[in-house]
Amino acid sequence: DQQVKQNSPSLSVQEGRISILNCDYTNSMFDYFLWYKKYPAEGPTFLISISSIKDKNEDGRFTVFLNKSAKHLSLHIVPSQPGDSAVYFCAASRLNFGNEKLTFGTGTRLTIIP
Amino acid sequence: SAVISQKPSRDICQRGTSLTIQCQVDSQVTMMFWYRQQPGQSLTLIATANQGSEATYESGFVIDKFPISRPNLTFSTLTVSNMSPEDSSIYLCSVADRGNQPQHFGDGTRLSIL
Repeated sequence: DQQVKQNSPSLSVQEGRISILNCDYTNSMFDYFLWYKKYPAEGPTFLISISSIKDKNEDGRFTVFLNKSAKHLSLHIVPSQPGDSAVYFCAASRLNFGNEKLTFGTGTRLTIIP
Repeated sequence: SAVISQKPSRDICQRGTSLTIQCQVDSQVTMMFWYRQQPGQSLTLIATANQGSEATYESGFVIDKFPISRPNLTFSTLTVSNMSPEDSSIYLCSVADRGNQPQHFGDGTRLSIL
């Protein structure tokens, strides 16, 4: 049972445009959501997070939107840069604590076209 | 954030053998996590390792197959026992610096079983 789903395995975006990565979840007990970025041969790197009490969190070029009723979140990157080309994983946990188990999606490979 | 070193970075092993993966952190952390990423799949939690107590395993993972040691607050090992081709994966350890901080990951161990 895949509790966190990223239905787009890949996405290509022109440099300078907006990249939108989507994530859906099924477990209503999830309370905290994170996005990680992964380059080849490296571990995932934390990017941005959002608590279920919020519907938006912004950090520079990165914004995460949460729609609890739809059990959907999205990551917006604007403007997209070539260095953003990576695999992006959505993750969820039951509590807003680092010591909580993370449940990951299968990832979306983002390619920024110069 | 904590610096995490994993060894080996990759290995090719024979069927039926065992391999121990090391995870070293440059600061003391309460909990360490071990994840597996099979080809084309999401990251899946294998177990959570507390210092001074037995690891807590997720459904589908057992101690006989994936024994874990946590001798102190900066180090842990994961052994993949009696390996088969299905164990070919990337194995990653992660830690959280403080209770409310997101998990940080090592660069992983890419394991191939012949």
